[in-house]
Amino acid sequence: DAEITQSPRHKITETGRQVTLACHQTWNHNNMFWYRQDLGHGLRLIHYSYGVQDTNKGEVSDGYSVSRSNTEDLPLTLESAASSQTSVYFCASSEGGASYNEQFFGPGTRLTVL
Amino acid sequence: AQSVTQPDIHITVSEGASLELRCNYSYGATPYLFWYVQSPGQGLQLLLKYFSGDTLVQGIKGFEAEFKRSQSSFNLRKPSVHWSDAAEYFCAVGAYGNKLVFGAGTILRVKS
Repeated sequence: DAEITQSPRHKITETGRQVTLACHQTWNHNNMFWYRQDLGHGLRLIHYSYGVQDTNKGEVSDGYSVSRSNTEDLPLTLESAASSQTSVYFCASSEGGASYNEQFFGPGTRLTVL
Repeated sequence: AQSVTQPDIHITVSEGASLELRCNYSYGATPYLFWYVQSPGQGLQLLLKYFSGDTLVQGIKGFEAEFKRSQSSFNLRKPSVHWSDAAEYFCAVGAYGNKLVFGAGTILRVKS
């Protein structure tokens, strides 16, 4: 079965360190998204991609970057981790073409920045 | 800009009772609307979606939602709640470019 996976599931890091969260999907979807989930805010969009070599900033992109070198993967990098980036991070993917297409979510990565 | 409001942060219902979770959206055109559920420690799963046609939408796990354009609402309902329905529920509106804008979520507690 097709799926979307994230690794690691849990990560503790220190302020100032670079951290990369992995996202891998086997749906062969063009669209991929990164969200962060914080209490009282729901899910907020960090970055997204419509295909290989395409990346776009979302609502809360400061301090984050992504790259898309193939269809399956969209890693999220925190260049210099800050305590404000402690959160749960979700990756999602969807088919291209229509805004009513379902997004499929990974299980999430819980990141703690000390 | 699109926005979604879920007025209730927490809701507690008894097992077997009916459930209604509220969702109001702001969007200029005909919206695409979604309800997702997140069980503890899990990712989000789609319950149902509306994009055209019948305004009463049936979903998985016995859930349904009704789109009311005049009230800008898309409330989620279930006639009889089971303990396994305890989770966090998110309403979302589809935005330009295949993006989703989420509400803050409603945490459902089920008491036996």
